[in-house]
Amino acid sequence: ETGVTQTPRHLVMGMTNKKSLKCEQHLGHNAMYWYKQSAKKPLELMFVYNFKEQTENNSVPSRFSPECPNSSHLFLHLHTLQPEDSALYLCASSQDLALGSGETQYFGPGTRLLVL
Amino acid sequence: QKEVEQDPGPLSVPEGAIVSLNCTYSNSAFQYFMWYRQYSRKGPELLMYTYSSGNKEDGRFTAQVDKSSKYISLFIRDSQPSDSATYLCAFSSGGYQKVTFGTGTKLQVIP
Repeated sequence: ETGVTQTPRHLVMGMTNKKSLKCEQHLGHNAMYWYKQSAKKPLELMFVYNFKEQTENNSVPSRFSPECPNSSHLFLHLHTLQPEDSALYLCASSQDLALGSGETQYFGPGTRLLVL
Repeated sequence: QKEVEQDPGPLSVPEGAIVSLNCTYSNSAFQYFMWYRQYSRKGPELLMYTYSSGNKEDGRFTAQVDKSSKYISLFIRDSQPSDSATYLCAFSSGGYQKVTFGTGTKLQVIP
């Protein structure tokens, strides 16, 4: 168990629906991330939070809205999505942001999203 | 040119075989080289981490970095069915820079 949980594990939604993805980490980490994983594409970083503050928005469309109420919880609010948004959405956490110097990211199992 | 190239596979090998997984990259600033393993219905987990060039061994796994060729490899000796997963290479130039991932290679080890 990685210590990062995500709910729901599967989600089917229509293009006019509003839904939210939830992530919780039990590792005492300060940084949390949202990634999108599509078939045959590299992991795409979407958002980064450090101590509840958003530090990066990787040119993500406004139909994706993140929320980080505290260092342990991260949400991704979804509205008016498109079929091409269907993917696996992964949450991750790390002690701090120094990922390039050996700091390890711990990933949750992901939410498999299908937009009809 | 893509920043990272990784063959998506799938790669099927018999149990006990030596597996070689590879990635090439174009960014000369990359100094940190990682391999993640992702089982079906799970998130990626860090498997190996290497700084700069050279080899690093951990049990049946060996990570190799050739910075002059911009080429990294992961070798798995005596492969087991439990090694069946998708392996993602990942890179960083250090500090607070983001991690750049490959597309992943799906490996199946057949009993």
